[in-house]
This record gives sequence, C-alpha cells and structure tokens, in this order.
Amino acid sequence: SALTQPASVSGSPGQSVTISCTGTDSDVGNYDYVSWYQQSPGSTPKLVIQDVNHRPSGVSARLSGSKSGNTASLTISGLRAEDEGHYYCASYTTSGTLLFGGGTKLTVL
Amino acid sequence: QVQLVQSGDELREPGSSMKVSCRTPGGTFSAYAVVWVRQAPGQGLEWMGGIIPLFGLTKYAQRFQNRVTITADESTSTSYLEVSGLRLEDSARYYCARATGDYQLAGGDYHYYFMDVWGKGTFVTVSS
Repeated sequence: SALTQPASVSGSPGQSVTISCTGTDSDVGNYDYVSWYQQSPGSTPKLVIQDVNHRPSGVSARLSGSKSGNTASLTISGLRAEDEGHYYCASYTTSGTLLFGGGTKLTVL
Repeated sequence: QVQLVQSGDELREPGSSMKVSCRTPGGTFSAYAVVWVRQAPGQGLEWMGGIIPLFGLTKYAQRFQNRVTITADESTSTSYLEVSGLRLEDSARYYCARATGDYQLAGGDYHYYFMDVWGKGTFVTVSS
C-alpha cells in the first residue's frame, strides 16, 4: 500500500511547513532513496528532492528533505504563493520498485 | 533540456487493450530507464513499472504484474506501455518519466531510485 502522507497542510506566506511521509522497514526505513515531487494544478510532476535530501539543479534552497527512522520529511521555508500544489513522496522498496505516498495538498493562506 | 514526447489521448472500451508511447529524442534513450506512472482524475500518483533499454530488463509493481507490459524500441528511442483487460477504473493520465537507478549484479536486476524528467502524459478514457 501507499506511503502515508497527511492529506493537507497549510501555512501563511513566509512561514515554514513540513510534510511527513511514513513507510516501513521495507522502504523508507532501510534505504536513503526517498524522493519528493511537486505537482502544481494542471501540471506535470516535478522532482524537487532526490536521495532523501539532495536538491536537483534549479530547485529552490527553501526546500529541504530529511529522514528519521521510517519517516521522511519535506520542509518548505519562506512559503510563497507559487509553492501551492500537491507534493508526493516516493521511496525505493526492497523489491527494487518505487512506491508513492498518497500526496499532500499544500495551501498558502 | 531532455523532453519525453508522449502519444495522444485515447478512448477505449472496457475489456479492450491500450498501448501508449513515449519517445526520448536526443540520443540519451539507452542511458536511462523509463518508467510509467498513472494518475486517475483527482487522485495521486501510482508507479506502474519500468524498463532499462540498455539491459532489456523490466520491473512491475505487484498490482500490475498480470495486465501491464512495458517495452522499448532502441531504434526509435521509444518506450511503450500496454495495459490489457481495461476497466472503467483504468481511466487516468499515464505519464512516462526518465528514471535513475542501479543494475544489481547479484540478481541480474535493475532497481529504481527516482524520476527526473517527465512527459506531459496521455489521458486514456475507458468507457462504453
């Protein structure tokens, strides 16, 4: 089944928000291959974090990733209106496949 | 900037099959894996499976093992996703994406880590 993410989070401009992604020892807990994807309304998903905490070239430094045990987290600091959208985590699994989280809708108030 | 070019939207009847394509122009096709991800209307992303053309290896998510076939044609730098026995709930946007992973010497297998370039998606409607 999918990794567990909160359905929604919100914050005001300038604030920080953290989105959690909880898995098991068969995925998040045992491997440092968690990635995060941003999907703005009507758009294609975009990779924003790979390998738990690495930002691809061009991704804002306001986005950061971390992991503790079976839970990975994406933190977005200095919230901006353009950050609104859905965020999905994904993790490598023991079988070599990828497993997505259910997605979190971020609202900038 | 690498772009993945996907085929046009399709309408299919329940019980039939679909086959959508994803072309990688620019000569980088064999260097990376291609995966397929689907998204039903208003729903989340679902990883279906992938192929690494260089080794000709495929891997599927367990729930799609019996109905999905992913292939690659290196001569045209194109990957294909075929889904058989279509159901109404298969109506979704099907994305292809370039993936990074590792070949596993021990098992002769390819494991997937993340997707960094995505196609715009092909919407498949299953309806009678």
